[in-house]
Amino acid sequence: NAGVTQTPKFQVLKTGQSMTLQCAQDMNHNSMYWYRQDPGMGLRLIYYSASEGTTDKGEVPNGYNVSRLNKREFSLRLESAAPSQTSVYFCASSEAGQGVSSNTEAFFGQGTRLTVV
Amino acid sequence: QKEVEQDPGPLSVPEGAIVSLNCTYSNSAFQYFMWYRQYSRKGPELLMYTYSSGNKEDGRFTAQVDKSSKYISLFIRDSQPSDSATYLCAMSDPAYGGSQGNLIFGKGTKLSVKP
Repeated sequence: NAGVTQTPKFQVLKTGQSMTLQCAQDMNHNSMYWYRQDPGMGLRLIYYSASEGTTDKGEVPNGYNVSRLNKREFSLRLESAAPSQTSVYFCASSEAGQGVSSNTEAFFGQGTRLTVV
Repeated sequence: QKEVEQDPGPLSVPEGAIVSLNCTYSNSAFQYFMWYRQYSRKGPELLMYTYSSGNKEDGRFTAQVDKSSKYISLFIRDSQPSDSATYLCAMSDPAYGGSQGNLIFGKGTKLSVKP
């Protein structure tokens, strides 16, 4: 059981280049998330998809777009990379519930280390 | 809506010590409280999960939630070098972003347990 798989694991981009980070989960989870992790900043939510067919902005969405391709896959696109987007990107998934009985455990991928020069 | 505060450390302790990690928060609507452990160059993984106030114990780990003080703690007894990692607290507000269960993370505390 692979869990959450992210590709690529490492990437170096030049300023202005575009790329798509891929994420797939095999746990039949409804919700998927993209976070970035920077030193001293913790994990910050970029975008999330509560269910197939929906996406919403998180805390730091500027410069990113997402696509929930199907229930398994959620991609993150950088249209014109900037040095400020140098970070470690994590995809996560969880089984979203309703009301106070939600089980919000999130399962994370191994991360994509992105450097923009 | 960064409403969770966590001392980033680093924290260095000798093997066998009792470790106390803490987070404070301001949003009284938080219902679910979690601790994630993240080893170097890996993704976070869930360590402990607590709903509302109270204690929860799992082996050498104890999680405490005090909603009246808006304060959560993770205690590690008989710490081992293998416990060396970054520990992130996380909390869930069902109303956040219109989707039940989005997590809000603390910045993480880096722990080093020396043999």
